[in-house]
Amino acid sequence: AQTVTQSQPEMSVQEAETVTLSCTYDTSESDYYLFWYKQPPSRQMILVIRQEAYKQQNATENRFSVNFQKAAKSFSLKISDSQLGDAAMYFCAYKQYGGSQGNLIFGKGTKLSVKP
Amino acid sequence: DAEITQSPRHKITETGRQVTLACHQTWNHNNMFWYRQDLGHGLRLIHYSYGVQDTNKGEVSDGYSVSRSNTEDLPLTLESAASSQTSVYFCASSRDTNTGELFFGEGSRLTVL
Repeated sequence: AQTVTQSQPEMSVQEAETVTLSCTYDTSESDYYLFWYKQPPSRQMILVIRQEAYKQQNATENRFSVNFQKAAKSFSLKISDSQLGDAAMYFCAYKQYGGSQGNLIFGKGTKLSVKP
Repeated sequence: DAEITQSPRHKITETGRQVTLACHQTWNHNNMFWYRQDLGHGLRLIHYSYGVQDTNKGEVSDGYSVSRSNTEDLPLTLESAASSQTSVYFCASSRDTNTGELFFGEGSRLTVL
């Protein structure tokens, strides 16, 4: 079975600095998707960034970028120029490509605090 | 704007009572999911549906049931609530099973006394 591990329960970053959140996963599949979701204190979860496993290029969305290392099964999220609004729980998630496996497997989350 | 809404947002009930959490989405998504979120466990899948009359068990389905009579709604029922079911419940929907992007509701906090 696939698993997703986030080894950092909590992280802290100074405003305007850069922080990297770690995620590793375990799968025997070659085609899959990886995601980072953000859950602000208001609790509604939103998608931050998505990576297709077949793409070698790391995904980027404005200040958010990932370091996808397929062989190492690692998928870290880098937040540049951190802002107070980035404070949230961040969840790494895995999804097998296609078939009937339409559901996501989530890690336990990393709570990010941003200090002014 | 299309959205996904959950109700109630907060509920307190007693052990043994039946509880139903509602989830309604206006995106016309075929795929809908129920997750529970507990400290130290992240989100765990309870049930999911790929369309009307389709329901599937997730990782933690014991004690829960769902039904899908139309595209918009996927109510989650706890037949006999237990204290172990105290949690925050999230409903989500997606258009495409391949891309996997989920759109989440705001959550329902359930306390079972």
